Amino acid sequence: NAGVMQNPRHLVRRRGQEARLRCSPMKGHSHVYWYRQLPEEGLKFMVYLQKENIIDESGMPKERFSAEFPKEGPSILRIQQVVRGDSAAYFCASSPMQADEQYFGPGTRLTVT
Amino acid sequence: AQSVTQLDSQVPVFEEAPVELRCNYSSSVSVYLFWYVQYPNQGLQLLLKYLSGSTLVESINGFEAEFNKSQTSFHLRKPSVHISDTAEYFCAVRTTQGGSEKLVFGKGTKLTVNP
Repeated sequence: NAGVMQNPRHLVRRRGQEARLRCSPMKGHSHVYWYRQLPEEGLKFMVYLQKENIIDESGMPKERFSAEFPKEGPSILRIQQVVRGDSAAYFCASSPMQADEQYFGPGTRLTVT
Repeated sequence: AQSVTQLDSQVPVFEEAPVELRCNYSSSVSVYLFWYVQYPNQGLQLLLKYLSGSTLVESINGFEAEFNKSQTSFHLRKPSVHISDTAEYFCAVRTTQGGSEKLVFGKGTKLTVNP
């Protein structure tokens, strides 16, 4: 059973471009969580999704950020018009049910130049 | 709101020495606590967790943590560290509210084991 997959592992974008980060949860997992890790900081919760539903997006910036988890395919975290402050590592985690252990992917390191 | 404080940002130790990484939490409800380890340029791996039952939990690689409700702590310990334990360690508390749940992390402690 493959673990949580994230791609790309590294992403470089110029200011103003769009960034799309993908997360494929573990097989059988229908709950996906996105976290952001800024330099010298711990991980901060961004959004919690189930298939086709956003359960909690209280950690998402109000503008430019969006997330989806369609019925088919990976979960996508989308950042429009990126700024230098968006440079961070973005981690996805999945779980089979709510209140189960979260399994983390290797992360996508976004660099905005 | 629940929060986690890791008091030490960096802990250097010599190989085979004991180590304690400190973690304190604030929570007004049932507590579920976790320690994750992150090796360079990798994702987080669960090291151990406290959900209920025995307050002392152990991992397969010699780490242990003790849940202390009165001191609101969940410190991580290992009696004798190896070079390969060099990594960043994150303490986290799981919060459940309004049908949602998430992990709240501390800022992490970088453990460096020197020969």
